[in-house]
Amino acid sequence: DAKTTQPNSMESNEEEPVHLPCNHSTISGTDYIHWYRQLPSQGPEYVIHGLTSNVNNRMASLAIAEDRKSSTLILHRATLRDAAVYYCILRGNFGNEKLTFGTGTRLTIIP
Amino acid sequence: EAGVTQSPTHLIKTRGQQATLRCSPISGHTSVYWYQQALGLGLQFLLWYDEGEERNRGNFPPRFSGRQFPNYSSELNVNALELEDSALYLCASSLGYSGSLYEQYFGPGTRLTVT
Repeated sequence: DAKTTQPNSMESNEEEPVHLPCNHSTISGTDYIHWYRQLPSQGPEYVIHGLTSNVNNRMASLAIAEDRKSSTLILHRATLRDAAVYYCILRGNFGNEKLTFGTGTRLTIIP
Repeated sequence: EAGVTQSPTHLIKTRGQQATLRCSPISGHTSVYWYQQALGLGLQFLLWYDEGEERNRGNFPPRFSGRQFPNYSSELNVNALELEDSALYLCASSLGYSGSLYEQYFGPGTRLTVT
């Protein structure tokens, strides 16, 4: 399974943008980049995913490098509710759709 | 719309016993995934079922098994329980076989404690 590398922890002030980086230098051409987050005492929650182009949804934006070896999850205006562990995951296809979670980035939001 | 449900919420067993955990996916979802979240080990993929078939399996011993029923609900069985099986077991569901296009929706989990 292709691996991802994320910082162990990050802090951000409330109502400011947050950029969460992820390196995935061994990504294959068919791997999708998925982001999930896990709030305390809850199951993981889908955030966003993409293949090659930048993606936006109501929760966040995903910026994917041109060579696809790195990506950045962008929370445009962090709130206290965004405090969670964020996981960057490479997800295969054609029988390899499982999510392989790494250690993730623990995001702390400072009021 | 109801989300993924899991039962029981908590389960306490003694070493050597068997545990059965249940999961009901979101209506219309055919794929069910099982994950284990043990303290200090993070989330690890266990099993994936789609349309009643086992599609993929994580690096776990054969005493971890399961099945998917015609209504797409699923059961995880853990035989010969060991102390290190104590963990939060999470179930997730998604649409279809080409899963990379679809997000997984997670249930609240079953906390299994082995004494």
